[in-house]
Amino acid sequence: DAGVTQSPTHLIKTRGQQVTLRCSPISGHKSVSWYQQVLGQGPQFIFQYYEKEERGRGNFPDRFSARQFPNYSSELNVNALLLGDSALYLCASSFDQNTQLFFGSGTQLSVL
Amino acid sequence: EDQVTQSPEALRLQEGESSSLNCSYTVSGLRGLFWYRQDPGKGPEFLFTLYSAGEEKEKERLKATLTKKESFLHITAPKPEDSATYLCATPPPRGTSYGKLTFGQGTILTVHP
Repeated sequence: DAGVTQSPTHLIKTRGQQVTLRCSPISGHKSVSWYQQVLGQGPQFIFQYYEKEERGRGNFPDRFSARQFPNYSSELNVNALLLGDSALYLCASSFDQNTQLFFGSGTQLSVL
Repeated sequence: EDQVTQSPEALRLQEGESSSLNCSYTVSGLRGLFWYRQDPGKGPEFLFTLYSAGEEKEKERLKATLTKKESFLHITAPKPEDSATYLCATPPPRGTSYGKLTFGQGTILTVHP
């Protein structure tokens, strides 16, 4: 069975640009969470979506937004990129809101 | 606000040299403590969940234990393939989704042959 898949795996953008990251959860999983992991730190929660509704938002600016589609896949959008947005963006899926998270391999975003 | 702190930041061991990693937490109403392993360029891989003080879980050379204020990940006779970053995390208070985990900064473990 396929795990959580994320695309693209690597991305290079310049300051001020916009980026869209994509995530496909494990089949049957209805919850998707997004995390940002800066080098040398643990993942930091950005968003959670369950049944296509936002169920949680971390301490990130409004430049970050996300959505979940009817097939439970998800997109994370970041506008007006800053150098500090350079990080590994992780997507995790779970069957429901209170079960184990399964993480994808992430999208490595570099902002120049 | 929940806080999770891991120590040491980095640990270098010789193959076969047992040691422990620490995860201390300050949370309101512990709902569990998770341990993950993360290899370079990969997402975290789930290892253990501990729910109550005194609980222990084992997997191969790894054993996780939990007290009221901290958790330990004991590594017995490690091998080079155990080299990775080990992360601990706690879920938010009851009534809030598990999706909002609070992670520690991780311990980078390097095992030399």
